[in-house]
Amino acid sequence: EVQLVQSGAEVKKPGESLKISCKGSGYNFTTYWIGWVRQMPGEGLEWVGIIFPGDSDIRYGPSFQGHVTISADKSISTAFLQWSSLKASDTAIYYCARRSGDPFDYWGQGTLVTVSS
Amino acid sequence: QSALTQPASVSGSPGQSITISCTGTSSDVGGYDYVSWYQQHPGKAPKLIIYDVINRPSGVSNRFSGSKSGNTASLTISGLQAEDEADYYCNSYIRSTLGIFGGGTRLTVL
Repeated sequence: EVQLVQSGAEVKKPGESLKISCKGSGYNFTTYWIGWVRQMPGEGLEWVGIIFPGDSDIRYGPSFQGHVTISADKSISTAFLQWSSLKASDTAIYYCARRSGDPFDYWGQGTLVTVSS
Repeated sequence: QSALTQPASVSGSPGQSITISCTGTSSDVGGYDYVSWYQQHPGKAPKLIIYDVINRPSGVSNRFSGSKSGNTASLTISGLQAEDEADYYCNSYIRSTLGIFGGGTRLTVL
């Protein structure tokens, strides 16, 4: 059974750093792209970026380039999304999802990130 | 690049059919047969219901169907049921492995 299990909710202050994770199981982690999707409170879905764990090819959505870093450790079948300096506007739920061909066919449960002073 | 355009809300009575549109440009929806649709219930992760414009994943009801004409893709739900009440998002491939979502449509079953 394919599963993506994300790390737990985080509460941080502006300016702090953060790294959240997404562990894949039940399939060959290195042969599917993993994407990150943001959902701000009461808002829609937005592409953050995507990584191919097999060779760490990474693409960022235009709004996120330079503000977040996507990475993966294929030895532990885990993808990561990190910030070096959080802003209040980063408050959102972040989903990871497996890409099969074009669509995202399996999704993680989401990680709520709250940034507040 | 702006989000794909979806109606903010649609509604229908049980048993009826509704259609949700998703309008883009020739650089996204019109340029590729890679449109997918996702259903999201409150507090839940999105779920894939249509991919590559017209295909349904295994286990998804055949009451859900997709189509495309020019720069507009559509999701049709027939025989509306109370459980269909949710938010629906379209997504299109754009370039370099990236995609773009629509703004989302809230479906209310009256």
